[in-house]
Amino acid sequence: DVKVTQSSRYLVKRTGEKVFLECVQDMDHENMFWYRQDPGLGLRLIYFSYDVKMKEKGDIPEGYSVSREKKERFSLILESASTNQTSMYLCASSSRGARTEAFFGQGTRLTVV
Amino acid sequence: AQTVTQSQPEMSVQEAETVTLSCTYDTSESDYYLFWYKQPPSRQMILVIRQEAYKQQNATENRFSVNFQKAAKSFSLKISDSQLGDAAMYFCAYRRGRAQKLVFGQGTRLTINP
Repeated sequence: DVKVTQSSRYLVKRTGEKVFLECVQDMDHENMFWYRQDPGLGLRLIYFSYDVKMKEKGDIPEGYSVSREKKERFSLILESASTNQTSMYLCASSSRGARTEAFFGQGTRLTVV
Repeated sequence: AQTVTQSQPEMSVQEAETVTLSCTYDTSESDYYLFWYKQPPSRQMILVIRQEAYKQQNATENRFSVNFQKAAKSFSLKISDSQLGDAAMYFCAYRRGRAQKLVFGQGTRLTINP
């Protein structure tokens, strides 16, 4: 059974804290993604990675960075958390190829107070 | 840039009835894929159905089918014989050819009334 695992389902952090969201996949997928989900806005891509140590900005990268040191792990970093980063964060992975589908983690609901 | 629009924030249907969720998209590409994803209250997003743009035949997966109108750039999802377990957020998504990233619509929350 394929699996994408996010380290936390719920997280509460203070403004200005450095926050790490971790994602691990066990499917040997080349591609990994971080999305942010907000009501009425759907899912918006923050960053994605198509290989180890490779990354590309998505549509809303400001205030975020990422790290991919190993193929199975993709980390999202909030350098200095702000209240407008309170949201649901979804990690996904996929293999290369035309007919590939994305597999998602269970999401991390982050609250910044 | 490609965009995906779901104009129905919420829909409801009686159990065992049929419901159609709407999705339109904008692209100048000819090679692309369209998807419907379901996000139940457990939050685990799962793929419901996929359509390749080069295929004229509408995709079907059991009670789920799509109406793919390429010229109109429309991709609606029909759920037949609705069940309580179908209650979820449904997202329409687009992926260009061999590109890797998905572009999502705003989502439609579907409620099933017993």
